[in-house]
Amino acid sequence: DAGVIQSPRHEVTEMGQEVTLRCKPISGHNSLFWYRQTMMRGLELLIYFNNNVPIDDSGMPEDRFSAKMPNASFSTLKIQPSEPRDSAVYFCASRTGEWDTQYFGPGTRLTVL
Amino acid sequence: AQTVTQSQPEMSVQEAETVTLSCTYDTSESNYYLFWYKQPPSRQMILVIRQEAYKQQNATENRFSVNFQKAAKSFSLKISDSQLGDTAMYFCAFMKQTNRDDKIIFGKGTRLHILP
Repeated sequence: DAGVIQSPRHEVTEMGQEVTLRCKPISGHNSLFWYRQTMMRGLELLIYFNNNVPIDDSGMPEDRFSAKMPNASFSTLKIQPSEPRDSAVYFCASRTGEWDTQYFGPGTRLTVL
Repeated sequence: AQTVTQSQPEMSVQEAETVTLSCTYDTSESNYYLFWYKQPPSRQMILVIRQEAYKQQNATENRFSVNFQKAAKSFSLKISDSQLGDTAMYFCAFMKQTNRDDKIIFGKGTRLHILP
């Protein structure tokens, strides 16, 4: 199995630009999670989906962040407009079933200048 | 609300030694899962071990084992015969066993250095 796939692995952009992060979960997994990791705040859950439906987006920092899951094999996290404080590593994770373990992707390191 | 506390921000041990990483959590739930994840310099988050709260037996995975004390709400990770490749950030995590809340709560992490 290929594992969770994220792209790009690194993204450098300028303040005000739109950023789109992509995730392909493990085939057969029906839950998908987006996390943000920073030195100051650690690992934070932004949003998660069950069967392509957003269940809890209370972790999304503000309206500049949005996430979609148009089908079971693809999700995006979009930041528009981006700000320097959005610089972080963004992880996607997926899981099968309700009680099973989350498997993480390699992360996207985002730098907003 | 659930919280996970890792009281050791950073630790260093010599290769081949045994090291124990501490984790405590706070919850009013009786059914839940606990996890240890490893994050090496590559940033990948890797599951090390998991424990179901209803199981009294401590989970073991090769050189990794846990000491789960439910009453004390403690979940420590022991690494035996430590290797250089064990150098990483280790996160303790908690998840309620309910279909109404599937979120994992992570601790702040412990940075572990294995010295040659």
